[in-house]
Amino acid sequence: NAGVTQTPKFQVLKTGQSMTLQCAQDMNHNSMYWYRQDPGMGLRLIYYSASEGTTDKGEVPNGYNVSRLNKREFSLRLESAAPSQTSVYFCASRAGWTDTQYFGPGTRLTVL
Amino acid sequence: AQSVTQLGSHVSVSEGALVLLRCNYSSSVPPYLFWYVQYPNQGLQLLLKYTTGATLVKGINGFEAEFKKSETSFHLTKPSAHMSDAAEYFCAVTRNTGTASKLTFGTGTRLQVTL
Repeated sequence: NAGVTQTPKFQVLKTGQSMTLQCAQDMNHNSMYWYRQDPGMGLRLIYYSASEGTTDKGEVPNGYNVSRLNKREFSLRLESAAPSQTSVYFCASRAGWTDTQYFGPGTRLTVL
Repeated sequence: AQSVTQLGSHVSVSEGALVLLRCNYSSSVPPYLFWYVQYPNQGLQLLLKYTTGATLVKGINGFEAEFKKSETSFHLTKPSAHMSDAAEYFCAVTRNTGTASKLTFGTGTRLQVTL
């Protein structure tokens, strides 16, 4: 089992460019999450998907969109990147019958 | 609404000394509480969790935490620090485990272990 995988690991964008962060899990989990981590602010929830076919906003959704492509994959899209979106992005997944979230290794994004 | 406060963004201890990382929570319903650890350039890994039952919970790498409802606290301890414990530690809370369960994280405490 690879667990939760994220691509790419690193990315540099210019202001206004778009990109999609990919996340996949092979644990047959129902719920998936996208967080951003900024120094001194912990992890903040951007969007989540409680189950295949559903998505909901988290604490900081502005400037982002998500797609729950299937049960395994949950992508995060930045349509027009801004310097304020420079951050480390983490994907996580959780089985429906447990309370533990499992995290991917993260994507470090820099927007110039 | 739920929230988590971690006192001390940086904690430094000597190798072999007691580790104490503080976490206080706010929740209108009985909480589920977690400690995660993040090693440099890695994702988060679950250390331990409290859901129901015994209030003293043991986790990996010799860490433990005690849920104290009267103090709304869930402090993380380890009797003897090791150099490999140097990492960032996050306390988190959720108040339900349904399909929409969401974690609220504290701002993290970076643990430094010195010789």
